[in-house]
Amino acid sequence: AQKVTQAQTEISVVEKEDVTLDCVYETRDTTYYLFWYKQPPSGELVFLIRRNSFDEQNEISGRYSWNFQKSTSSFNFTITASQVVDSAVYFCALSEATGTASKLTFGTGTRLQVTL
Amino acid sequence: NAGVTQTPKFQVLKTGQSMTLQCAQDMNHNSMYWYRQDPGMGLRLIYYSASEGTTDKGEVPNGYNVSRLNKREFSLRLESAAPSQTSVYFCASNSFLVGVRNQPQHFGDGTRLSIL
Repeated sequence: AQKVTQAQTEISVVEKEDVTLDCVYETRDTTYYLFWYKQPPSGELVFLIRRNSFDEQNEISGRYSWNFQKSTSSFNFTITASQVVDSAVYFCALSEATGTASKLTFGTGTRLQVTL
Repeated sequence: NAGVTQTPKFQVLKTGQSMTLQCAQDMNHNSMYWYRQDPGMGLRLIYYSASEGTTDKGEVPNGYNVSRLNKREFSLRLESAAPSQTSVYFCASNSFLVGVRNQPQHFGDGTRLSIL
């Protein structure tokens, strides 16, 4: 069975600090996809990134960067120079690449609070 | 540019009442999903529909039924609501074809359901 662990329940930082959100996953599949979603206080889920298991390149998008390490089954998310607008719950998720649909297994989320 | 639309946004039910949550997407996606979100537990898959005419159980299907009415619409029904079904329900959709594509899931804004 697939499993996603986000051990950090809640993180508080002061604006402009860098912060890393951890994600560790378990799967028996050799081909799979990893995702990060953001849930701001308004409640909707916003897609941030998708990575497949064959692509271990790190990715940077503005202040966001992702570090995928297959050897440690981790897909960590770093926000550089955090801003108040980054305050949200962040979910890491995993889906298999086989089967009839891309069923997502979510972690329990990390609540990020950025204060002035 | 509606994306995934869920109705209603809020609902209060009494134990034993029935209710159908509606979901429609206008992105021509083949796959649709229903998740529930409970505090501290992330999102869990209830049912999914890989394509029009098919439905399958997810991780927590007990107490629910679904109907894939057509390519656009996927409804979730609670036949006899129980307090344990108090949750936020999210519908999602994506374009998925095994070995070919696995687009990120797009989520609706959610339905907050309280059962007294």
